[in-house]
Amino acid sequence: SQQGEEDPQALSIQEGENATMNCSYKTSINNLQWYRQNSGRGLVHLILIRSNEREKHSGRLRVTLDTSKKSSSLLITASRAADTASYFCATGISNRDDKIIFGKGTRLHILP
Amino acid sequence: NAGVTQTPKFQVLKTGQSMTLQCAQDMNHNSMYWYRQDPGMGLRLIYYSASEGTTDKGEVPNGYNVSRLNKREFSLRLESAAPSQTSVYFCASIEGRGDYTFGSGTRLTVV
Repeated sequence: SQQGEEDPQALSIQEGENATMNCSYKTSINNLQWYRQNSGRGLVHLILIRSNEREKHSGRLRVTLDTSKKSSSLLITASRAADTASYFCATGISNRDDKIIFGKGTRLHILP
Repeated sequence: NAGVTQTPKFQVLKTGQSMTLQCAQDMNHNSMYWYRQDPGMGLRLIYYSASEGTTDKGEVPNGYNVSRLNKREFSLRLESAAPSQTSVYFCASIEGRGDYTFGSGTRLTVV
């Protein structure tokens, strides 16, 4: 079963607007990561937030983590056409290994 | 360039045929993973290897075998391919509790 569930499944916004995607998960985590996948390509790591962190920034990306609600959000500010992709959250849950479990992803489409 | 290399990029098999997907990383990572991705789904873990000489099952291991040949290479074998194994396969590696590095994928079709 999926650990992480992204919401919404698909999102279309105008270029220049902000895009927000959410991820909810079921069990306690060590860390939560966000990845981007362009059509037909592999996944690219965007940002990792640890369970003891609440917010993290990287360029136009802002990630929040609320462990009490078991949820995270990814905000992309001032969206660009190149941001069109699928975005996945992945959770690390084990203290024994680095295994992470992916959600089904949000398909983001930036309209010109 | 440093990274994860997968071969082949595309493959078509007939039902019952066997094949091995190859993965190699040059980052000296300990852990390596095989995932499959199906339409509308995220990535599901097939097998992983936390270190050279060890392998463990993931969420969907049935119909697959793996070999951690050395620290660099982690192969995935389909002994008797089935149409349900049509998918895009991704290999990834990681060192410590950091981010994964993914290969560009192998698109497999079983007819």
